[in-house]
Amino acid sequence: AQSVTQPDIHITVSEGASLELRCNYSYGATPYLFWYVQSPGQGLQLLLKYFSGDTLVQGIKGFEAEFKRSQSSFNLRKPSVHWSDAAEYFCAVGEGFQKLVFGTGTRLLVSP
Amino acid sequence: ETGVTQSPTHLIKTRGQQVTLRCSSQSGHNTVSWYQQALGQGPQFIFQYYREEENGRGNFPPRFSGLQFPNYSSELNVNALELDDSALYLCASSLDPGSGANVLTFGAGSRLTVL
Repeated sequence: AQSVTQPDIHITVSEGASLELRCNYSYGATPYLFWYVQSPGQGLQLLLKYFSGDTLVQGIKGFEAEFKRSQSSFNLRKPSVHWSDAAEYFCAVGEGFQKLVFGTGTRLLVSP
Repeated sequence: ETGVTQSPTHLIKTRGQQVTLRCSSQSGHNTVSWYQQALGQGPQFIFQYYREEENGRGNFPPRFSGLQFPNYSSELNVNALELDDSALYLCASSLDPGSGANVLTFGAGSRLTVL
C-alpha cells in the first residue's frame, strides 16, 4: 500500500532563511507526487506536482521540489521564506492525480 | 471561474445522528472526491464520484455514503455518527478521472464536531 512520511511535525524558520520540508513515500511503481499547502480556514492549494520528466519541479510561490527515486523522497524547498508562507504543508502520492494518500503534514512557523 | 464551495462550514451533531454535507464543484468539473481530515492528520480519501456513480472508495464503512447530481454537485452522508467522525471534511472537484493531466481543486471544508 502507498504511504507518505513527513518526519517533521513542526518547523520554525526565520523570515528570509531557506526552507526544506522532507517527504518520503512508499510506492511500488512510478509515483505521482504532490505538495499541497493549507492555511487556516482554507482548503488545500496545490503547490507543485511531479509525474515524469525533469526531477526538479517548479511550483507556485517560489517553491520547488526534487524527486529522488533512489531515496524515495520528494523534498520541498524555498530559498527565502516569507511570513505569509506560514501554513501546513502536505506531501501526497497517488496512482493518478486524484485518489491521493497524504502525509500527516508539517506545520511551518516563520519567525521575524 | 468559481471554485469549490462547501456547506455548512461548521456543524455540531451528537453521537448516533446523521449528517449531510454539500459541495458545489468548480465550473466545468465533472468529478467529485471527498476526504476526511482528522485533527493533526492529513486528509484521507473517502470516495470519488464520476457521472453520478461511485468511482473508487477508501477504507471507510458503508455508513459513509454519497451522491452526485446531474449538475455535478455532491453530498456526503454519514449515518450513526461516532465521536471519531469529528473532522474536517474536504470536497475536491476535477475533470475526468482518467485524464492524468487533471488535479484536484479543494474546497475550504466542513468542520463536523460529534459530541
